[in-house]
Amino acid sequence: KQEVTQIPAALSVPEGENLVLNCSFTDSAIYNLQWFRQDPGKGLTSLLLIQSSQREQTSGRLNASLDKSSGRSTLYIAASQPGDSATYLCAVPFSGSARQLTFGSGTQLTVLP
Amino acid sequence: DAGITQSPRHKVTETGTPVTLRCHQTENHRYMYWYRQDPGHGLRLIHYSYGVKDTDKGEVSDGYSVSRSKTEDFLLTLESATSSQTSVYFCAINISPGEETQYFGPGTRLLVL
Repeated sequence: KQEVTQIPAALSVPEGENLVLNCSFTDSAIYNLQWFRQDPGKGLTSLLLIQSSQREQTSGRLNASLDKSSGRSTLYIAASQPGDSATYLCAVPFSGSARQLTFGSGTQLTVLP
Repeated sequence: DAGITQSPRHKVTETGTPVTLRCHQTENHRYMYWYRQDPGHGLRLIHYSYGVKDTDKGEVSDGYSVSRSKTEDFLLTLESATSSQTSVYFCAINISPGEETQYFGPGTRLLVL
């Protein structure tokens, strides 16, 4: 059974700092990995999807990396801003699936002005 | 905005009553999903659909049923609601057959008393 862990559960940083969020998964035979953002009381917004054949994906100030062999992914946020404050979740498909997702519990990020 | 709406957005009900949640999409997207989100558990897949009348169970399907009689609507039914089904329910879709990124609706907050 695929299990996804995100550490730390919460993180507080001053504005402007570069930061890294971590995601680990137990079954390395994944098709892809997705990072999402969730604002309080809202749905999830897709940030990045990395295919299993890729090492990283970039979108603006966000860079996600994937190391399948070690079962790890990181989300790097450059020059953090208060508007980046949210919960960040990673998700990977169930073993043998490309679409049925297993989520981590998320990292709650607070960027202080 | 992937054109997903969920109804109702909030509901309070009593133990033992049936409840139906609706997910509606404005395009003819094939794949649709129902998740629940609970503190400490992240999001967990309840059921999913890969076409009209084609549905399958997810990780936490006990106590839930689904129906998809037309492409745009995916219904989640709690036959006899229990307090353990108090949660936030999210619907998600893939926007094209080859697209594995999932797009989420705004969620339904359900309280079972």
